Amino acid sequence: NAGVTQTPKFRILKIGQSMTLQCAQDMNHNYMYWYRQDPGMGLKLIYYSVGAGITDKGEVPNGYNVSRSTTEDFPLRLELAAPSQTSVYFCATGDVSPLHFGNGTRLTVT
Amino acid sequence: AQSVTQLGSHVSVSEGALVLLRCNYSSSVPPYLFWYVQYPNQGLQLLLKYTSAATLVKGINGFEAEFKKSETSFHLTKPSAHMSDAAEYFCAVISPSSGGNKLVFGAGTILRVKS
Repeated sequence: NAGVTQTPKFRILKIGQSMTLQCAQDMNHNYMYWYRQDPGMGLKLIYYSVGAGITDKGEVPNGYNVSRSTTEDFPLRLELAAPSQTSVYFCATGDVSPLHFGNGTRLTVT
Repeated sequence: AQSVTQLGSHVSVSEGALVLLRCNYSSSVPPYLFWYVQYPNQGLQLLLKYTSAATLVKGINGFEAEFKKSETSFHLTKPSAHMSDAAEYFCAVISPSSGGNKLVFGAGTILRVKS
């Protein structure tokens, strides 16, 4: 049972490049979340989804996009990477509140 | 709007000593409250949660937390620290009326355990 799987673990992007952070879950949870974690700031909600085909903005959605075509997958897309998006990104799932987190993707934008 | 304040960004205790990590919340309605733990290079793990049942909540790894409405607090305790408890701990709050999915996290407290 893998739980929540995030790929890649690490990535370095140049300013203006794009990339997709992948998140997959095998627990059949309807709720999925994307957070970013910056030192001393806790976690901030970027986007969330309450089921396939339904997504909504969180606290810090600017510069990101998501899609949820299946229950299992919830990719996060950065279209034009900026240094302010340097962070650690976590995907989480839960029946309502986030209960299970992936191990994160550490992204550096230079 | 909800918010949480974790008092002390770093806490240091000796092995075997009491662990006390402080969390105060702000919420206009009775909240749900959570504690998570994060070990280095890992995601968060749910330690325990309060959802308006018993005010004293027991979690994993010997941790517990008590909801005190009069003090708007939800402090995390463990009677005897172990070296393996060294990690970062996050308190989080949510308003049930928000649909249960917009958790607000505190800034975190790094716990160091000295031998």
